[in-house]
Amino acid sequence: DQQVKQNSPSLSVQEGRISILNCDYTNSMFDYFLWYKKYPAEGPTFLISISSIKDKNEDGRFTVFLNKSAKHLSLHIVPSQPGDSAVYFCAAKGFYGNNRLAFGKGNQVVVIP
Amino acid sequence: GAGVSQSPSNKVTEKGKDVELRCDPISGHTALYWYRQSLGQGLEFLIYFQGNSAPDKSGLPSDRFSAERTGGSVSTLTIQRTQQEDSAVYLCASSLGAGPKNIQYFGAGTRLSVL
Repeated sequence: DQQVKQNSPSLSVQEGRISILNCDYTNSMFDYFLWYKKYPAEGPTFLISISSIKDKNEDGRFTVFLNKSAKHLSLHIVPSQPGDSAVYFCAAKGFYGNNRLAFGKGNQVVVIP
Repeated sequence: GAGVSQSPSNKVTEKGKDVELRCDPISGHTALYWYRQSLGQGLEFLIYFQGNSAPDKSGLPSDRFSAERTGGSVSTLTIQRTQQEDSAVYLCASSLGAGPKNIQYFGAGTRLSVL
């Protein structure tokens, strides 16, 4: 069963505009959420995280919002740049108690120059 | 290098053969994880090591899969009698510890193709 879900598998956005990626989770025991970015033939790289005690975390052009009651988080990239073209994975942890991550299937983002 | 290193980067094997995949974590990282990503899927957890012990191996799909870690460093994932459904990218990650704020750093993966 997919405990972390990312719909809309691909997104195209113009350079300079906002990219919004959504993620839903089913397990209320998750208490820490992360976004990873992945380029082809490379491993995922950590982008930004948020603890369940917060509802927003910002790092430069990247902001993650968490709505615990809706079990929903989103990643905003503003402004989008061509180098942001990658697959973005939403991940969650805390249920298993050992830092083990549950991943979504990923969203392909294409930023058009 | 300073990152997680995996070898080989690509492995093609015949159905029924055994394969070994290697992971060199970041120096000093006590926690090590194996995941796999099948085509069109997200990363699927396989096994977690803390030091040389594997307290969580619940993600291993069958008894054909095993893993070990030695010296609190290098880990080897072994798949015996490979099947076509084993074809996937196998990713290794390490983190300084296993607490919630410890970030996992991933290697580039081994792409396994079983013919």
